[in-house]
Amino acid sequence: KAGVTQTPRYLIKTRGQQVTLSCSPISGHRSVSWYQQTPGQGLQFLFEYFSETQRNKGNFPGRFSGRQFSNSRSEMNVSTLELGDSALYLCASSFNSPNYEQYFGPGTRLTVT
Amino acid sequence: AQKVTQAQTEISVVEKEDVTLDCVYETRDTTYYLFWYKQPPSGELVFLIRRNSFDEQNEISGRYSWNFQKSTSSFNFTITASQVVDSAVYFCALSEANFGNEKLTFGTGTRLTIIP
Repeated sequence: KAGVTQTPRYLIKTRGQQVTLSCSPISGHRSVSWYQQTPGQGLQFLFEYFSETQRNKGNFPGRFSGRQFSNSRSEMNVSTLELGDSALYLCASSFNSPNYEQYFGPGTRLTVT
Repeated sequence: AQKVTQAQTEISVVEKEDVTLDCVYETRDTTYYLFWYKQPPSGELVFLIRRNSFDEQNEISGRYSWNFQKSTSSFNFTITASQVVDSAVYFCALSEANFGNEKLTFGTGTRLTIIP
């Protein structure tokens, strides 16, 4: 059974640019969550999508957005990048809810210069 | 608001010793879920256990065991006879059961180093 895949694995962007990260969940999983991990703030929940709808949301500014497609694949977008957006972005999938076992991808390491 | 505290930032033990990782949580909800995840050097978080707030039974899985005590709002994790492969960062997490609030709040993690 293939695991959660995230692309790209590494990304370097400049302040003010925007970026799109992609996540393919485990086959059959309908819930996809996104997390930001930084040394200063730790692991923080961004949002969760289920059946193409954002169901849960963390405390991040509107520059962070996401979507989910009919095949459960998900993308997150960060517009007007700031230096503080440099982080490891993790995607996790579960069958139906973050309140059950989640499988995490390897993450996308975003560096903003 | 939810909060998870892992007071131990780093722990080092010699291989085969037992080690306990502490987790204390805060929530106003009566129904919630507690988790432990492991993040090895490769970076991918690995699910270890999930416990709901109504199930206070301790659980043992091989060398791993978990002690859930609602009276002290703690969910501690013990590794018995530690091995080098147990070296990782361990995260405790909490989630509410309410629709729209199903999101994990993580502790800051405990970096465990097993010395051969």
